[in-house]
Amino acid sequence: DAGVTQSPTHLIKTRGQQVTLRCSPKSGHDTVSWYQQALGQGPQFIFQYYEEEERQRGNFPDRFSGHQFPNYSSELNVNALLLGDSALYLCASRIFTGTGVGEQYFGPGTRLTVT
Amino acid sequence: DAKTTQPNSMESNEEEPVHLPCNHSTISGTDYIHWYRQLPSQGPEYVIHGLTSNVNNRMASLAIAEDRKSSTLILHRATLRDAAVYYCILRRRGSSNTGKLIFGQGTTLQVKP
Repeated sequence: DAGVTQSPTHLIKTRGQQVTLRCSPKSGHDTVSWYQQALGQGPQFIFQYYEEEERQRGNFPDRFSGHQFPNYSSELNVNALLLGDSALYLCASRIFTGTGVGEQYFGPGTRLTVT
Repeated sequence: DAKTTQPNSMESNEEEPVHLPCNHSTISGTDYIHWYRQLPSQGPEYVIHGLTSNVNNRMASLAIAEDRKSSTLILHRATLRDAAVYYCILRRRGSSNTGKLIFGQGTTLQVKP
């Protein structure tokens, strides 16, 4: 049983460009969250998708957007890239319980470098 | 979500028990205590969670103080593979809760051979 998978593994972009990161949740999971982790920091919550809708959003600008597909996979899009967007982007999946309690499974992340 | 406080770093010897503390003095009655760890170059990994009673699983044990203002993650026999950043996170139970995890700085555990 494959866990959470993310692509690509690494990515280098130039300031001002746009990027799309992809995530496939663990089999049987229907909820996907995205996190940004700067070097030496803990992950920061970006947003969460359930039933193809954004359900909760962290303190990130509108340049960060996402999408969830009917097969529960998800994309994270970042427009007008800034140097500060350089980070590890993590995807996490879980089964929606309505309580928010319980384990989430994380993927290995996509390392984005903006030059 | 309530705030947690953890030591920045701890050291342990291989094959010895490790007790990782977490303070959460403003915890509410519906806050669950979760622990995740992040090995180098990997995404975070769920370890354990609990509400009031101590919990055990194949990875670790969670000891929760009687007043719930602190908890301790116990690794019974540390291995080199347990070297990681350990995060203590509170999650409030409720229908409006959508699974957001608030990570702090965590505790960096070094395991010496």
